Amino acid sequence: AQTVTQSQPEMSVQEAETVTLSCTYDTSESDYYLFWYKQPPSRQMILVIRQEAYKQQNATENRFSVNFQKAAKSFSLKISDSQLGDAAMYFCAYLPGGNNDMRFGAGTRLTVKP
Amino acid sequence: DAGVIQSPRHEVTEMGQEVTLRCKPISGHDYLFWYRQTMMRGLELLIYFNNNVPIDDSGMPEDRFSAKMPNASFSTLKIQPSEPRDSAVYFCASSFLFGQPQHFGDGTRLSIL
Repeated sequence: AQTVTQSQPEMSVQEAETVTLSCTYDTSESDYYLFWYKQPPSRQMILVIRQEAYKQQNATENRFSVNFQKAAKSFSLKISDSQLGDAAMYFCAYLPGGNNDMRFGAGTRLTVKP
Repeated sequence: DAGVIQSPRHEVTEMGQEVTLRCKPISGHDYLFWYRQTMMRGLELLIYFNNNVPIDDSGMPEDRFSAKMPNASFSTLKIQPSEPRDSAVYFCASSFLFGQPQHFGDGTRLSIL
């Protein structure tokens, strides 16, 4: 079974600084998708970024970028120029290429200090 | 375009009562998902539909849980009878194509007393 591990239950960052959230996953498949979702206190699950496993280029969305290391099965999220609104739970998610059973990590709670 | 719409946002009911959660996916999305989020188990996929047909319900915890999708714009998740351990946040999500991001609703916080 595929599992997703987020080893940092909590992280904090100073406003305007950069922070990296870690995620590793376990799979024997070569075709899959990876996502980062953000869940603020409002409870919404908001897509942050998506990466297809067959693409070597790391995905980027404005201040958010990933470091995708397929061989190491690592998918970290970097947030640059952190803002107060970035404070939330961040979930890493793995979607296998063969079905829609998306697996989520336990989450990392990010605090942004003014 | 409206996002995924769930109702109610909060539900408090007594053990043994029937609970029905509702979801309207984004128009044009062929896939619909029901998730449950708890502190202990995190986010778990309960069931998903493709073109209104249930594809995988292996995550449904017990026979007390059932889900239907009578048409492309509406789905329900029903718990009968409800138990205190069913208390959780239930999310509905939809996606356009396989592999595309799932768009989540605001969730229903369910409390069973």
